[in-house]
Amino acid sequence: AQKITQTQPGMFVQEKEAVTLDCTYDTSDQSYGLFWYKQPSSGEMIFLIYQGSYDEQNATEGRYSLNFQKARKSANLVISASQLGDSAMYFCASHQDYKLSFGAGTTVTVRA
Amino acid sequence: EPEVTQTPSHQVTQMGQEVILRCVPISNHLYFYWYRQILGQKVEFLVSFYNNEISEKSEIFDDQFSVERPDGSNFTLKIRSTKLEDSAMYFCASSSRQGDYGYTFGSGTRLTVV
Repeated sequence: AQKITQTQPGMFVQEKEAVTLDCTYDTSDQSYGLFWYKQPSSGEMIFLIYQGSYDEQNATEGRYSLNFQKARKSANLVISASQLGDSAMYFCASHQDYKLSFGAGTTVTVRA
Repeated sequence: EPEVTQTPSHQVTQMGQEVILRCVPISNHLYFYWYRQILGQKVEFLVSFYNNEISEKSEIFDDQFSVERPDGSNFTLKIRSTKLEDSAMYFCASSSRQGDYGYTFGSGTRLTVV
């Protein structure tokens, strides 16, 4: 089974600064997908960004970018120009077979 | 934008009772999923469903659980004889194809077993 590791339980970031959330994964498959989701205090899961294992370029979506280093099996999320509304739990996940496997999550708190 | 709808948003049930959590996936999606998140813990896969049958299920998804797509639009999770440890947020998700980045999650049902 896939294993996703997020080593940062919590992070603080100053408003307007960038923050990097770490994610490593463990798979022997050649084809897989990597996702980041945001979970605010209200509880819903909001899709942020996706990276396919065969994608040669790092994915970007607005202020979110994914630093994909395939050889290191890492897929770090970078949030640029942090906003107060970015305060939430962030989950890294990978798709393999018929399911997503999630990491333990990182809580981000943005300070004014 | 299309969304996955889950009802109810909150449910409180007595231990030992049966509950049915309901989901309406995005209409042209073919793959359906249930996930569970115990408070403060990570999101866990329960089951995936395709072509009217279970594609894969986790160890959590034992005989206490069942899924059904009764009418072509709804996708339900039934939990029989609920236990205190079943208290969690249950998320339904759907995708248009397996592995497609278009996974869409519902807003979840918070189940509390008392």
